[in-house]
Amino acid sequence: DAGITQSPRHKVTETGTPVTLRCHQTENHRYMYWYRQDPGHGLRLIHYSYGVKDTDKGEVSDGYSVSRSKTEDFLLTLESATSSQTSVYFCAISGGLAKANNEQFFGPGTRLTVL
Amino acid sequence: AQSVAQPEDQVNVAEGNPLTVKCTYSVSGNPYLFWYVQYPNRGLQFLLKYITGDNLVKGSYGFEAEFNKSQTSFHLKKPSALVSDSALYFCAVRDGGNAGNMLTFGGGTRLMVKP
Repeated sequence: DAGITQSPRHKVTETGTPVTLRCHQTENHRYMYWYRQDPGHGLRLIHYSYGVKDTDKGEVSDGYSVSRSKTEDFLLTLESATSSQTSVYFCAISGGLAKANNEQFFGPGTRLTVL
Repeated sequence: AQSVAQPEDQVNVAEGNPLTVKCTYSVSGNPYLFWYVQYPNRGLQFLLKYITGDNLVKGSYGFEAEFNKSQTSFHLKKPSALVSDSALYFCAVRDGGNAGNMLTFGGGTRLMVKP
């Protein structure tokens, strides 16, 4: 999976608790993304990063925050988890040393269940 | 705003027969189009992309896709389906003038290849 790891791979938590998901890459790619995958919706962008400490909102950013203090790590935080945030979360990277219009490469995903 | 439609939730085809998975898009600028495949409990894997040039794009595992500007379509095809092609397929589009390489995904089409 193109040098991308996600942790944890599975998590069950309770409503109202904070949750942090980690994405780690070894490809030195500039762009990193967090998506959620839900049946019938495909993948929807939550937040993305275009460099260290440079982040912006995606399509479904409410209830989520991100941080990127190093090139290789991109953290997604649910400040107070809700049942509607039960989903599979994917991290992706793009934009290495090759041409600008690169495809994105995806991590293996984190399955989050909020009870 | 950019969007992608995959009109079929599921496509069924017999092994050895040709397959087509449909995708139409809407984007204001030049479309950059991608196909990804997802096997169970895995992240998305890149299959092929159209950026510019020849309308017929060849990708991994014998797949190809045809870009049709007038019909705003980018259908995925394979001349002879394999049982191992059974998976979830996603079409995605990016506006060529959109900084940050933001992708919009379709809802996905499940391909079932029967022996």
